[in-house]
Amino acid sequence: GESVGLHLPTLSVQEGDNSIINCAYSNSASDYFIWYKQESGKGPQFIIDIRSNMDKRQGQRVTVLLNKTVKHLSLQIAATQPGDSAVYFCAERANQGGKLIFGQGTELSVKP
Amino acid sequence: GAVVSQHPSRVICKSGTSVKIECRSLDFQATTMFWYRQFPKKSLMLMATSNEGSKATYEQGVEKDKFLINHASLTLSTLTVTSAHPEDSSFYICSAIHAGTGQKTQYFGPGTRLLVL
Repeated sequence: GESVGLHLPTLSVQEGDNSIINCAYSNSASDYFIWYKQESGKGPQFIIDIRSNMDKRQGQRVTVLLNKTVKHLSLQIAATQPGDSAVYFCAERANQGGKLIFGQGTELSVKP
Repeated sequence: GAVVSQHPSRVICKSGTSVKIECRSLDFQATTMFWYRQFPKKSLMLMATSNEGSKATYEQGVEKDKFLINHASLTLSTLTVTSAHPEDSSFYICSAIHAGTGQKTQYFGPGTRLLVL
């Protein structure tokens, strides 16, 4: 069935380093992708999104890359800080206003 | 902007009782809201899609008679867990689509922790 998965369930980085979190998706009809950050005991927080007609989008310290050829999505965090420690989820949406399918999540741990 | 609240933030109830969770969009109107549940160290699982003024659409395997959803206004959706049992203990999260954004971005509430004894 349709699924969104992640290559790495946990990621540990040194403060100041760049982080890369990966995600694979299987539904070629998905037209919109989002990265969420979830801290313990809280709801997901929107980080950045990208439409399927783009391959890169930058935000503040974050960049999302989309490779539709291999159905791969990544989130890059520059100069990772302790406050970035959280679980990161990618999500895909197959149609306008449609439901989101979430990946399994990657736990990012930032060492001071 | 685009703030979604949930109430209560956590609730403990006895087995067999019903629990109502509210989801509100505070500064925007949401014709569509979604309800998710999340177990520890797991991803979010969509339970149902709540549309204002119409019946909710439930995902496969989710009992509509157990998880009652009401979306009576453009800013409020409620989820009622009826006859709750310990296996219903989970983190329930709602989201609302901000229709004013081009991509209909979903904004999430802070979640409600339910513990059924």
